[in-house]
Amino acid sequence: AQSVTQLGSHVSVSEGALVLLRCNYSSSVPPYLFWYVQYPNQGLQLLLKYTTGATLVKGINGFEAEFKKSETSFHLTKPSAHMSDAAEYFCAVSRNSGNTPLVFGKGTRLSVIA
Amino acid sequence: DVKVTQSSRYLVKRTGEKVFLECVQDMDHENMFWYRQDPGLGLRLIYFSYDVKMKEKGDIPEGYSVSREKKERFSLILESASTNQTSMYLCASSPLYSGRSGELFFGEGSRLTVL
Repeated sequence: AQSVTQLGSHVSVSEGALVLLRCNYSSSVPPYLFWYVQYPNQGLQLLLKYTTGATLVKGINGFEAEFKKSETSFHLTKPSAHMSDAAEYFCAVSRNSGNTPLVFGKGTRLSVIA
Repeated sequence: DVKVTQSSRYLVKRTGEKVFLECVQDMDHENMFWYRQDPGLGLRLIYFSYDVKMKEKGDIPEGYSVSREKKERFSLILESASTNQTSMYLCASSPLYSGRSGELFFGEGSRLTVL
């Protein structure tokens, strides 16, 4: 069975600082991994995804994530936080390789301090 | 752009009422999903559907049912609403076979309060 653990329900960074949101997964098959973002009072939108190929994945708004099989991790990073990055971020893994539905982590709320 | 539309953004209902949450997608996606979002619990899957008239239980189906009579529409039904069903409900869709396999497209959510 697939599962996702997001370390830290709330992360606070200063504007311009590095953003690091942690995600570890467990999967009995090669996983497809996703990061979604949810801005206040909105639905979720895809930031980036890993399916196969290059393990460093670039997404929208300057975010990227690296798939590390040995560590079963898919951490999300951004070199320099912007106030507009304040949102909730969800890591997700596919239940079966390439097929939905996704299993989501509990989310990490990112606050950006001016 | 893919659009998933949920009919109501905010609803207030009374305990015991029957509640319908409607979701429509305009991209001819095969898959549709209903998730429930609660603080500290993330998204939990209630029901999903891979095709018209097909439905599968997710992780928390108790107290809910669904209907998919047309490909573009997926309805969530609370037969007798209870206060513990106060939550944000998110509908999503995805294509079955495509380069975007696995990616979900979400509606903006329906926030239900049961009094």
